[in-house]
Amino acid sequence: SYDLTQPPSVSVSPGQTASITCSGDKLGQTYTRWYQQKPGQSPVLVIYQDNKRPSGIPERFSGSNSGNTATLTISGTQAMDEADYYCQAWDSSTVVFGGGTKLTVL
Amino acid sequence: QLQLQESGPRLVKPSEPLSLTCSVSGGSISSSGSYWGWIRQPPGKGLEWIGSMSHSGSTYYNPSLKSRITIFGDTSKNEVSLKLSSVTAADTAVYYCARHPGLAAVAFYFDYWGQGTLVTVSS
Repeated sequence: SYDLTQPPSVSVSPGQTASITCSGDKLGQTYTRWYQQKPGQSPVLVIYQDNKRPSGIPERFSGSNSGNTATLTISGTQAMDEADYYCQAWDSSTVVFGGGTKLTVL
Repeated sequence: QLQLQESGPRLVKPSEPLSLTCSVSGGSISSSGSYWGWIRQPPGKGLEWIGSMSHSGSTYYNPSLKSRITIFGDTSKNEVSLKLSSVTAADTAVYYCARHPGLAAVAFYFDYWGQGTLVTVSS
């Protein structure tokens, strides 16, 4: 089965840039999506097709994908960005999610 | 605005089937280009895709759960349903329904989600 690996946690100071990685074999050859999930809430799509933002998602959220690693970047991180983030890919007719990264803004 | 709402029993006994329904409003489940997925999340853990159904009723299942899953739609009620057979405690999770605009790698992303429903498997 295809695995996506994320760091369990990332910390960032307010106003700084947060980078969350997602690693998988040849991940750069397919598309990566990113979801934000706050406690007790449903996931929200923040990036699709590697680097596209859905309507309503702030410009400070961006994505990239190359080689074996996709990266979600949050520029000028705000306290409201504290959440769990999940990457997702599609491989061999199966949807795969990463294990999730808890972003702490402190 | 598309809205999805999951419903069903919150408590299921081991070995019994789990049945959930996703009611869709603001759009039709038979609209071309819409696919309807089920995703679950055990308490404190990550997300797992269960399976999806296309606007025409075709189904696509997670190979690891395929033998126990049935997903089907009711166009008259605009609902998509999930049935998971022979549940165990490992099936305890928040179950979400979500829409995705396609099947190909470029389009398999979940852009609308329900609020989720916690199903506990216990005797």
